[in-house]
Amino acid sequence: EVQLLESGGGLVQPGGSLRLSCAASGFAFAGYAMSWVRQAPGKGLEWVSAITNSGGTTYYPDSVKGRFTISRDNSKNTLYLQMNSLRVDDTAVYYCAKVATSIVAGNTNENWGQGTLVTVSS
Amino acid sequence: EIVMTQSAATLSVSPGERATLSCRASQSVSSNLAWYQQKPGQAPRLLIYGASTRATDIPARFSGSGSVTEFTLTISSLQSEDFAVYYCQQYNNWPYTFGQGTKLEIK
Repeated sequence: EVQLLESGGGLVQPGGSLRLSCAASGFAFAGYAMSWVRQAPGKGLEWVSAITNSGGTTYYPDSVKGRFTISRDNSKNTLYLQMNSLRVDDTAVYYCAKVATSIVAGNTNENWGQGTLVTVSS
Repeated sequence: EIVMTQSAATLSVSPGERATLSCRASQSVSSNLAWYQQKPGQAPRLLIYGASTRATDIPARFSGSGSVTEFTLTISSLQSEDFAVYYCQQYNNWPYTFGQGTKLEIK
């Protein structure tokens, strides 16, 4: 059974940093692309980053480009999201998700974690 | 960026009836379209990918159709557990984008 367990969320001040982690189990982590998707309170869903299975290619929307960095450690079956220069509108539940194949292009998320809440507030 | 538009914010349907949810893309996404279901306090669950292929363990009452810019999710006979929010999402062009969601509520 695929399991994705996010951690690292919490309260941070505007301009601060936070690193999220996602521990994966139940599948061959190194064989799959991964992603982070967020959901602001009471709002819809937004992809914030994705990474191929090897880590060689990463993807970001303009809203987080230059502030967020996705990475992975295949030896630890763990996905990360480093978030810098956080803004109030980054407040959201952040979901870790497993993409259907090793590449991001033309593929979507098929399994999701339960999410971790990030609150950016002074 | 491709804008995904779900025509109904809320849809009220009685249990046992058919529900039809619509989604439109601002430009072609081919068949790279997924549908997700989300219940309160839970993560989204993949229902349909490739516009019409059911994901693992998804009941046959869920079906998807369409291509290019117009897509439909049909739930043939609504069960109590189907009342939730449904999102369409394109994965043809980065950044991948979701519709704003349709809340399916009990009539």
